Amino acid sequence: NAGVTQTPKFQVLKTGQSMTLQCAQDMNHEYMSWYRQDPGMGLRLIHYSVGAGITDQGEVPNGYNVSRSTTEDFPLRLLSAAPSQTSVYFCASSYGRTTRMNTEAFFGQGTRLTVV
Amino acid sequence: KNQVEQSPQSLIILEGKNCTLQCNYTVSPFSNLRWYKQDTGRGPVSLTIMTFSENTKSNGRYTATLDADTKQSSLHITASQLSDSASYICVVADRGSTLGRLYFGRGTQLTVWP
Repeated sequence: NAGVTQTPKFQVLKTGQSMTLQCAQDMNHEYMSWYRQDPGMGLRLIHYSVGAGITDQGEVPNGYNVSRSTTEDFPLRLLSAAPSQTSVYFCASSYGRTTRMNTEAFFGQGTRLTVV
Repeated sequence: KNQVEQSPQSLIILEGKNCTLQCNYTVSPFSNLRWYKQDTGRGPVSLTIMTFSENTKSNGRYTATLDADTKQSSLHITASQLSDSASYICVVADRGSTLGRLYFGRGTQLTVWP
C-alpha cells in the first residue's frame, strides 16, 4: 500500500524555469491538496481538489497551477520558478472533508525544491 | 484571523522523561483539532483527532487534551523515547469551507537525549 507518493524528492531549478511536481495516491481519495512548508511557518495551502475535474485556490496560489484529470493524480505546476518558491512541498489526500472526525489526511514525503 | 499558536518552539528532554506541548487556536467555526508528528525529512503523520465534545484522547504514550471553551489543547508524551524526537504540529480544521480547511501551527521541535 503506497499511500501518497511524491516525485521528485529533491529538485534544483533556475529562476524562470518551469516544472511539475507529481503526486499520486492509491487510496481512491476524492480530496487532494498541495501545501508548502517554509522555515518557521506552518504548512500553507496552495491549491486543492475535491474530485476529478474540480480544483480551487488555497491561501498562496500565485505562481502555481493545478489540474485533476484522474482521481489518483494531482500534479502541481510551477509556471516560472522564482527564488521565493524555494520550499518543501507536501501533497495530501483524504477520503472526504477533514471536518469529519474519522477523515484522516495522509501526507506524502515531500519535495524539497530550491530555486537559484 | 484564523491562527494556531504552539509553545514552546523547541524542547529538549532526557529519555524516559515526560513532556507537555501546548496549542492555542482562534479558528472559527471549529470542527476538530489534530496533532501530527513530523520526522525530519518526512511528511506529517496523524497522532490524534478530537472534536469539541472530547476532552482527552490517547494514542499509546501520546495523550491529547482539548478545552474548546478556552480554545487550548495540549499533547502529553509519557516516558519519552529517542524515536520521539520530531516536530509536533497542532492542526485545526474549520467547519465552514468546502475542503474542511486545515490550519497548521509552526510546530514544537522536540529533541530527546539519551
